[in-house]
Amino acid sequence: QKEVEQDPGPLSVPEGAIVSLNCTYSNSAFQYFMWYRQYSRKGPELLMYTYSSGNKEDGRFTAQVDKSSKYISLFIRDSQPSDSATYLCAMSADQAGTALIFGKGTTLSVSS
Amino acid sequence: DTGVSQDPRHKITKRGQNVTFRCDPISEHNRLYWYRQTLGQGPEFLTYFQNEAQLEKSRLLSDRFSAERPKGSFSTLEIQRTEQGDSAMYLCASSPRQGDTEAFFGQGTRLTVV
Repeated sequence: QKEVEQDPGPLSVPEGAIVSLNCTYSNSAFQYFMWYRQYSRKGPELLMYTYSSGNKEDGRFTAQVDKSSKYISLFIRDSQPSDSATYLCAMSADQAGTALIFGKGTTLSVSS
Repeated sequence: DTGVSQDPRHKITKRGQNVTFRCDPISEHNRLYWYRQTLGQGPEFLTYFQNEAQLEKSRLLSDRFSAERPKGSFSTLEIQRTEQGDSAMYLCASSPRQGDTEAFFGQGTRLTVV
């Protein structure tokens, strides 16, 4: 079992839909959780950063962490075609940020 | 400062040749990371510097790979005797200060070994 599991999709939704992206993990030591967006042939772009459990909202994006279930989510409201990308979850146990462990990424396509 | 800069963006090389990539982190970021990403996978950690000290290396970093950050600013990643399995996107990231685990990535160097 990999440390971080993420359904690769692809996930296709119409414009305006609410998108839910998820990751599960096995290492209970993970405390720092991130979501990155990656466009084709580009580097990952940091979207959300969360420490420990709870919710964090930034515009149309909401990140949720449930440490008891070892489950994290990213919600995108009012999805736009420009949201079409691969979404990577990443996590770390160490505050010093030595190594992020990434999921495989979920490919999202938002159609207009 | 516009972010993490990587050079070159693309590199095609013949098997057996040596290649070197450069990464310029965001100014005053004292932590720098190298990751490798293959198609359909998330980035995998290779190595990590705090200032000029290389503090962690993944077992993925074979003896053919070497990374340096001589003055605690830019970093280089060299691959000797390249193999077709080295074909991947090599990503550099930096973090602003101790205590923050957020990592900001560059656009990557795409290596193709033919």
